[in-house]
Amino acid sequence: AAGVIQSPRHLIKEKRETATLKCYPIPRHDTVYWYQQGPGQDPQFLISFYEKMQSDKGSIPDRFSAQQFSDYHSELNMSSLELGDSALYFCASSKRYGYTFGSGTRLTVV
Amino acid sequence: GENVEQHPSTLSVQEGDSAVIKCTYSDSASNYFPWYKQELGKGPQLIIDIRSNVGEKKDQRIAVTLNKTAKHFSLHITETQPEDSAVYFCAASKSGGFKTIFGAGTRLFVKA
Repeated sequence: AAGVIQSPRHLIKEKRETATLKCYPIPRHDTVYWYQQGPGQDPQFLISFYEKMQSDKGSIPDRFSAQQFSDYHSELNMSSLELGDSALYFCASSKRYGYTFGSGTRLTVV
Repeated sequence: GENVEQHPSTLSVQEGDSAVIKCTYSDSASNYFPWYKQELGKGPQLIIDIRSNVGEKKDQRIAVTLNKTAKHFSLHITETQPEDSAVYFCAASKSGGFKTIFGAGTRLFVKA
């Protein structure tokens, strides 16, 4: 069965650079969620989209933005990167109940 | 806002023993309670879930119980195996595209 696809798997950026993370949800899933997970921490909710509209917002910094496109894929744009942005970024998709998570993008800011 | 508390943070059991992880939630409107298993470097994987109209659900060695009045739910793993070693997250959410709130996680070690 198709899963949630995230790209890239690994990304290394320097401070103050920008990064774009991509997420391709499971076909026919209408909701996409973005989470940030620091080392040894639980996933922290950033933002979600339902039918291409922002549906909920969590602790997402103003330096980050996201959108969901007509084909339902989503992109998380991160600007002015800071060392503290280094984390695993997960995308999840759902239709009604239950998330399916992608494998994540490991972002390292140096 | 919604808060989910999870205990214990670390659990070590002998292979074959049972493991129990407990969570409480604060938002009485929550109606969906999934459990995720996360292995190192991988995304959380859904292992079992329960909805608010059910008190207990079982899937082979894994069972989840829900007490809506007390707002707590628990994961039970029986006959644990070394491959059960991972971090387990409980979570709570409401239907309708709302975010899922995760517990802090329990690192389970199963000793052979």
